[in-house]
Amino acid sequence: GAGVSQSPSNKVTEKGKDVELRCDPISGHTALYWYRQSLGQGLEFLIYFQGNSAPDKSGLPSDRFSAERTGGSVSTLTIQRTQQEDSAVYLCASSPWGDQPQHFGDGTRLSIL
Amino acid sequence: EDKVVQSPLSLVVHEGDTVTLNCSYEVTNFRSLLWYKQEKKAPTFLFMLTSSGIEKKSGRLSSILDKKELSSILNITATQTGDSAIYLCAVGRGTGTASKLTFGTGTRLQVTL
Repeated sequence: GAGVSQSPSNKVTEKGKDVELRCDPISGHTALYWYRQSLGQGLEFLIYFQGNSAPDKSGLPSDRFSAERTGGSVSTLTIQRTQQEDSAVYLCASSPWGDQPQHFGDGTRLSIL
Repeated sequence: EDKVVQSPLSLVVHEGDTVTLNCSYEVTNFRSLLWYKQEKKAPTFLFMLTSSGIEKKSGRLSSILDKKELSSILNITATQTGDSAIYLCAVGRGTGTASKLTFGTGTRLQVTL
C-alpha cells in the first residue's frame, strides 16, 4: 500500500495477556518508529529501527515491551503481561532515512480490561 | 528533561479568520521541528524545519522556526472548516542514526461557519 499499515486497528485483551502489534512501513523506508499516545498525553517515543543499525530502545517503558524488525521491513511490537496502564493508541511511523519526515499509520487502539 | 510546549491548548475561530499556533521547546541535540495535523487517526505531516530551512509555506499554511528563541509558529490564513483538527508540534532530537520525536500535547483548532 501507499502508506504505513498497522494491524489490528483495535485490540481488547485481559490484563496479564501478551499482545503483538504489527507495522508494515512505506516501501523503501529504512527507518521505522513506534510511539504511544495515551489519553490526554502527547505522543511518546518508544523505539526506532534504522537500517542495519542497532535499534534505539531508550523509550521503552519497561522490560515487558520489546520490538523486532524482520528483513528490514515489517515490525512487531510485543507487550508481555499487559497492565491497564498499557491502554493507549500505539502508532508506527516510517521515513526514507533517519532525518526525513516521519509518516504515521492509523495506529492500534489497545484496551486492557 | 526534553520538553515541547504548545499554545493555546484550544482555539475556536470563524471561517476566514487567520490563526497563529505556537510551539516552544527545550531539548538536547536538536535536529528538526515538525508540524503535524491530526484529525481522527494518523497524524499527517505538514512541515519540517531545520537550521537550513527555517521558513516553509504551502498554500494557506506557513511556518517559521526561531532557533534563537527556541520556538516556532504555524500560521493558517483564511481558515476553513476542514482545518479543524489537532495540530501537533514535534522536535526531532538525538545523536543516533535517526531523530526521535518529542511531541507537544497539541492545539485543538475548531473552525466554525
